[in-house]
Amino acid sequence: DADVTQTPRNRITKTGKRIMLECSQTKGHDRMYWYRQDPGLGLQLIYYSFDVKDINKGEISDGYSVSRQAQAKFSLSLESAIPNQTALYFCATSPRSGALGDTQYFGPGTRLTVL
Amino acid sequence: DAKTTQPNSMESNEEEPVHLPCNHSTISGTDYIHWYRQLPSQGPEYVIHGLTSNVNNRMASLAIAEDRKSSTLILHRATLRDAAVYYCILYSGGGADGLTFGKGTHLIIQP
Repeated sequence: DADVTQTPRNRITKTGKRIMLECSQTKGHDRMYWYRQDPGLGLQLIYYSFDVKDINKGEISDGYSVSRQAQAKFSLSLESAIPNQTALYFCATSPRSGALGDTQYFGPGTRLTVL
Repeated sequence: DAKTTQPNSMESNEEEPVHLPCNHSTISGTDYIHWYRQLPSQGPEYVIHGLTSNVNNRMASLAIAEDRKSSTLILHRATLRDAAVYYCILYSGGGADGLTFGKGTHLIIQP
């Protein structure tokens, strides 16, 4: 079973709709992240959370919100989707700094298309 | 932020070693050098990281220049499954800013 799962894997929606992408992890990690990837580019950080009560904006948080419902769950919402939010969205987790440093473990991604 | 420079693409033959270069001339003393790779249609996958000394693991080796301004990821015997985009990332730890991904190097493996 995958350690980091994302649902849905694919979603097509219309402009103005509210969309929620969900991420769950079984690794027991405190830290969780949401990234987006546009075609041919690297990943950009949207939001990150160090624990349930600690949520922080990344470099491209406008138009997005998040919820950390539990240590294992971190959801990303698009309040009113727009076409330029069409992208691949990845969730990631990492343990506190330790022997493995800040290695991040990524989910399989959600492909979102906004028409 | 300290940045990295990688070739856009590289090509190698199956079962041969591959050396993927990365320049990071503005690296700070607290920056770790991380490598991730992204296989087609998958999320990024951790490969290796190091600070000053060369590092080896089951996936690859990381050779770090003495002045730390460059590093090389070494795949000792490339397979078709190693075809991916490889990202060289500088990271100070703490998770404060997440990982900063550039465009990476697209590695093509010829059979």
